[in-house]
Amino acid sequence: DTGVSQDPRHKITKRGQNVTFRCDPISEHNRLYWYRQTLGQGPEFLTYFQNEAQLEKSRLLSDRFSAERPKGSFSTLEIQRTEQGDSAMYLCASSLAGANYGYTFGSGTRLTVV
Amino acid sequence: AQTVTQSQPEMSVQEAETVTLSCTYDTSESNYYLFWYKQPPSRQMILVIRQEAYKQQNATENRFSVNFQKAAKSFSLKISDSQLGDTAMYFCAFSPKASGTYKYIFGTGTRLKVLA
Repeated sequence: DTGVSQDPRHKITKRGQNVTFRCDPISEHNRLYWYRQTLGQGPEFLTYFQNEAQLEKSRLLSDRFSAERPKGSFSTLEIQRTEQGDSAMYLCASSLAGANYGYTFGSGTRLTVV
Repeated sequence: AQTVTQSQPEMSVQEAETVTLSCTYDTSESNYYLFWYKQPPSRQMILVIRQEAYKQQNATENRFSVNFQKAAKSFSLKISDSQLGDTAMYFCAFSPKASGTYKYIFGTGTRLKVLA
């Protein structure tokens, strides 16, 4: 197991297009998180899955955003009708359930909307 | 609202010296976790150290230690014998226990540069 993988590493898209990112967590981890990090800021929580259930969504996650985790394995984050304000690094992290020992983060997907 | 403040946007330290990064947080909760994460340039975020709020003893991990002052809501990170590989952004994070989500609230980070 090579850790948390995210694909693609970089994505440039035109405003109004749809994009989808993928995250493959550590296989034993049943918790999966998506965060967004803009330049000069710390990551901000977007959403959380335990197994296949999406248990919490931030108010940052507008109707244009949707996340899934079919069968509790990999997860996808889709942004519809992208806007320039969506430009950011999208980070995925996973962890075990139980005590909070911290996350393992992926390398992120950097989205640029032009 | 729960917030995390890192008041030092940038810091530098000479190799082999000691540096302390500051972090304060605001919460009404009594049980939570605190973390320091390191984000090297163009690389993934890595857990440096973790502290449980109900434990009075300060956490240590090799050259990294924290000064946790619960009443003051302060959680500083001390790096001893700084190495060039410690150059990175450092983020302080707060995670409340009550919700069970274990989501984090991050500070804005401190960019640390270790000088040769």
